Amino acid sequence: NAGVTQTPKFQVLKTGQSMTLQCAQDMNHNSMYWYRQDPGMGLRLIYYSASEGTTDKGEVPNGYNVSRLNKREFSLRLESAAPSQTSVYFCASEDNLAKNIQYFGAGTRLSVL
Amino acid sequence: RKEVEQDPGPFNVPEGATVAFNCTYSNSASQSFFWYRQDCRKEPKLLMSVYSSGNEDGRFTAQLNRASQYISLLIRDSKLSDSATYLCVVRGAGSYQLTFGKGTKLSVIP
Repeated sequence: NAGVTQTPKFQVLKTGQSMTLQCAQDMNHNSMYWYRQDPGMGLRLIYYSASEGTTDKGEVPNGYNVSRLNKREFSLRLESAAPSQTSVYFCASEDNLAKNIQYFGAGTRLSVL
Repeated sequence: RKEVEQDPGPFNVPEGATVAFNCTYSNSASQSFFWYRQDCRKEPKLLMSVYSSGNEDGRFTAQLNRASQYISLLIRDSKLSDSATYLCVVRGAGSYQLTFGKGTKLSVIP
């Protein structure tokens, strides 16, 4: 019963490098989300995908791109990493708004030097 | 003013104590309310939704006051395993976005 799986768990990048954070869910959920969590801040929404084939910006989308590859997978790409993107990134999924429960992955800890 | 405000704590309480957390939200159009729990270096997990009439789940009681835009969480008979950060979360009607507070850290001491 995997739920929401994120890879990698840890990553260190140099400024300017690119990488893609992967997220997959096995609960047949429609909606998927990417958040970042920084010390002293609440979780902030980067992008979300309400359903397969759609993506929308959240509160802090600058510097990121996303792809909803299929219903299961939602990836987050950093094209040119900056130290300000050092954070813990969480992916989440949700069946539908009526259920009103988001399930989170274990997170990816990213450091940009 | 931040959208969701919580006392960051930490709250250090002995086992068996009762502890209450408070949260205020600024958007009067908020429609859904939750408490999530986050253990150290782990992901957030839904603890309970908060309903207008108030609701209870075992030792946990949540209250909502829409007029004052205030949410509370009461934990009775605290256990060591309750040690975590408690996140107050709100959502607007029909909105996909959850707005999180910064969290209140609880440490239950033997």
